[in-house]
Amino acid sequence: EVELVESGGGLVQPGGSLRLSCAASGFTFSDFALSWFRQAPGKGLEWVSGISSSGDRPYTADSVKGRVSISRDNAKNTLYLQMNSLSVQDTALYYCAKVHRLLLVAPDDAYDLWGQGTMVIVSS
Amino acid sequence: IQLTQSPSALSASVGDRVTITCRASQGISNWLAWYQQKPGTAPKLLIYKASTLQSGVPSRFSGSRSGTEFSLTISSLQPEDFATYFCQQYNSYLITFGQGTRLEIK
Repeated sequence: EVELVESGGGLVQPGGSLRLSCAASGFTFSDFALSWFRQAPGKGLEWVSGISSSGDRPYTADSVKGRVSISRDNAKNTLYLQMNSLSVQDTALYYCAKVHRLLLVAPDDAYDLWGQGTMVIVSS
Repeated sequence: IQLTQSPSALSASVGDRVTITCRASQGISNWLAWYQQKPGTAPKLLIYKASTLQSGVPSRFSGSRSGTEFSLTISSLQPEDFATYFCQQYNSYLITFGQGTRLEIK
């Protein structure tokens, strides 16, 4: 089955850190760029960070730059998002998603496969 | 690049034809996608490159472009179409979304 499964979310105090993971199956993982998106409760979608198919080119939104690091392990078919210095504004459902086109060096594409999301709650 | 979606909410009946628009703050060529999202589920890609229907999506969905204004049209609403719809531009890696249109049953 073609799917993405996120994990690693949870409750964390302000200033804390979390590492999210996204396990892929059913497609050639190393052929596709990937991104993390988030959606605060009742709100719209926000792109957080993306990475090239080879993993050598990360891209990050200005809103989280300096606090977030994206990486991937193509041997393990897994995408990661390291988040540091978390604030209450980072509370959201975090999705990983796969681009539509093959072998992109940047994540500028439509996204045709999404995981179910992992919830991050930042609260004291 | 900012995307302005309208309307933010829409009430319609089964069988109606509805159109949602998305205006980009600058030129994005055809680099626009439309998604459907139902409560508690992830977004689903409907349309990419402004007017190309994603595989498996019913043909009652269509997309079009006029300059920097994009439209998603559902030709005959079905019960399963009541959801929230988002546009997304991918003219660069700084991806942005419209604020969403909630389509409700009248």
